[in-house]
Amino acid sequence: GAVVSQHPSWVICKSGTSVKIECRSLDFQATTMFWYRQFPKQSLMLMATSNEGSKATYEQGVEKDKFLINHASLTLSTLTVTSAHPEDSSFYICSAKTFRASGLVTQYFGPGTRLLVL
Amino acid sequence: KNEVEQSPQNLTAQEGEFITINCSYSVGISALHWLQQHPGGGIVSLFMLSSGKKKHGRLIATINIQEKHSSLHITASHPRDSAVYICAVANTGNQFYFGTGTSLTVIP
Repeated sequence: GAVVSQHPSWVICKSGTSVKIECRSLDFQATTMFWYRQFPKQSLMLMATSNEGSKATYEQGVEKDKFLINHASLTLSTLTVTSAHPEDSSFYICSAKTFRASGLVTQYFGPGTRLLVL
Repeated sequence: KNEVEQSPQNLTAQEGEFITINCSYSVGISALHWLQQHPGGGIVSLFMLSSGKKKHGRLIATINIQEKHSSLHITASHPRDSAVYICAVANTGNQFYFGTGTSLTVIP
């Protein structure tokens, strides 16, 4: 079946550094990729939506200069947390959407990346 | 009120028990997903449903579109099933709404 991968699965960094998280669709082309953030014991919250080759659309309250999203190809999207601070420590999950030949829209979730900023 | 409500929030079961987790939603949907999140945070997509019933191993997912309700069943539960199970619905605009999850602990 379709798989979405994320790399790295874990990252620990010092405050002030930037961290890049990759999201790849492994056996399909993703027209749209989504980035979510999840704090402990809370639901996934959508951060931004990215379409290949265009600028990402950010949800209200999400700083676009803080969370840089690049969707350079139909199989890769990256999220860069710039100048990370301890409050950015969270679980980041990507999801990829594709249209099947049947016309059915299908969305698959990545396994997530846990970020800890010291 | 959340668009997606799950019950129960927490569930403890003995190994071998039959488990049911419920999900009710209030928006028109194009699909409903059941996700499994392990203690380390990793997420696995279990099912995507738009109607009827699906089965994968010991897991069964059903959906009733008219009642806006879905259930996830686990037969012959095992300690490795211990995880948080999340119900997520995609509306007709493919916007996702997530439940807060059901934390399942299966005791040997």
